[in-house]
Amino acid sequence: KQEVTQIPAALSVPEGENLVLNCSFTDSAIYNLQWFRQDPGKGLTSLLLIQSSQREQTSGRLNASLDKSSGRSTLYIAASQPGDSATYLCAVRPDSNYQLIWGAGTKLIIKP
Amino acid sequence: DTGVSQNPRHKITKRGQNVTFRCDPISEHNRLYWYRQTLGQGPEFLTYFQNEAQLEKSRLLSDRFSAERPKGSFSTLEIQRTEQGDSAMYLCASSVAGVYPGELFFGEGSRLTVL
Repeated sequence: KQEVTQIPAALSVPEGENLVLNCSFTDSAIYNLQWFRQDPGKGLTSLLLIQSSQREQTSGRLNASLDKSSGRSTLYIAASQPGDSATYLCAVRPDSNYQLIWGAGTKLIIKP
Repeated sequence: DTGVSQNPRHKITKRGQNVTFRCDPISEHNRLYWYRQTLGQGPEFLTYFQNEAQLEKSRLLSDRFSAERPKGSFSTLEIQRTEQGDSAMYLCASSVAGVYPGELFFGEGSRLTVL
């Protein structure tokens, strides 16, 4: 059974720092992995999607990597800003016809 | 295209009342998903549709919950005889089936508070 874990549950860093959020999964047979951002009381915004055949994806200051063999994905945020404060969730799709398996998220606070 | 739209955004109801949420997916997205999320947790899958067919339902979806997508466009999620444990954010997402990589796009959610 696929399980997704995100550690730490919360992270607070000063503005301007580069940081890494972690996502681990137990079964390496995945279809894709998606990172989302969620602001308090809001829905989910898709940030990056990594296909099973890819090792990384980049969008602006965000870079997501995927290592299926070790069951890990990381989300790298460069030059963090207070506006990056949110909860970041990763979700794994085991195959194309299956629903996403979610982590509980990492709550990120960027201090001005 | 304005993205996935959910209504109402907030609903406060008394225990025992029925509530209905509506989701309008991105046009031409043939898959539509419903999730439930409680504070501090990741979303929990409830059900999904491909066109008008409901293909999968979670065991979380008790007989008080019913979802429909009658014409393969918008969907409704109805909760009958609400309980305080139903208080949560109900999220809708859509995607295109058969198109790799199958990215999901979410709406802003409908927050339910049962008093």
